[in-house]
Amino acid sequence: GDSVTQMEGPVTLSEEAFLTINCTYTATGYPSLFWYVQYPGEGLQLLLKATKADDKGSNKGFEATYRKETTSFHLEKGSVQVSDSAVYFCALSVGSGGGADGLTFGKGTHLIIQP
Amino acid sequence: GAGVSQSPRYKVAKRGQDVALRCDPISGHVSLFWYQQALGQGPEFLTYFQNEAQLDKSGLPSDRFFAERPEGSVSTLKIQRTQQEDSAVYLCASSLVGSSNQPQHFGDGTRLSIL
Repeated sequence: GDSVTQMEGPVTLSEEAFLTINCTYTATGYPSLFWYVQYPGEGLQLLLKATKADDKGSNKGFEATYRKETTSFHLEKGSVQVSDSAVYFCALSVGSGGGADGLTFGKGTHLIIQP
Repeated sequence: GAGVSQSPRYKVAKRGQDVALRCDPISGHVSLFWYQQALGQGPEFLTYFQNEAQLDKSGLPSDRFFAERPEGSVSTLKIQRTQQEDSAVYLCASSLVGSSNQPQHFGDGTRLSIL
């Protein structure tokens, strides 16, 4: 079946540090890939997505590139801020017959940015 | 409102009671999803509707779980004869069209505690 593996947290960084959160996947079809973020006390929000190989999703300074050859979708940011502290989830969706499908999520990575 | 609305936000029930959780998707969204999120884990897919049709219920953990969306808008997730292992946050999400590359928009969830 489909699965997503992401690095375990918590990940603690200082402000302005470079961030990488690793995500790899296994999928039975050709998935679309997503990063969702959950800020403290808030619901899940879409951060970025990529729908085909070599696509780069980007938003709020975060980037992730769909790497089919390594089945990866690592999240990166050049300079993190305290406000980036949150839980980050990597997810995939493989629609059957081109239709919608439930998302398969990783376990989440708790990111803590210290001033 | 503009987002996905779930009610109640918190629900406490005694073991053996039935509960009903409501989801009001974004207006005009065709697809609706239910997920279960245990503490410290990523959300896990339960079921999916396209309009009023339940197209996938493969994630429902037992026949005590039942979901409906009779008019293709509001959905209700019902859990009968609740057990302690049902304690979790139940998330609802909607998307505009039935396609795997479309992002899902999440509500804030219902936190269910079974005593």
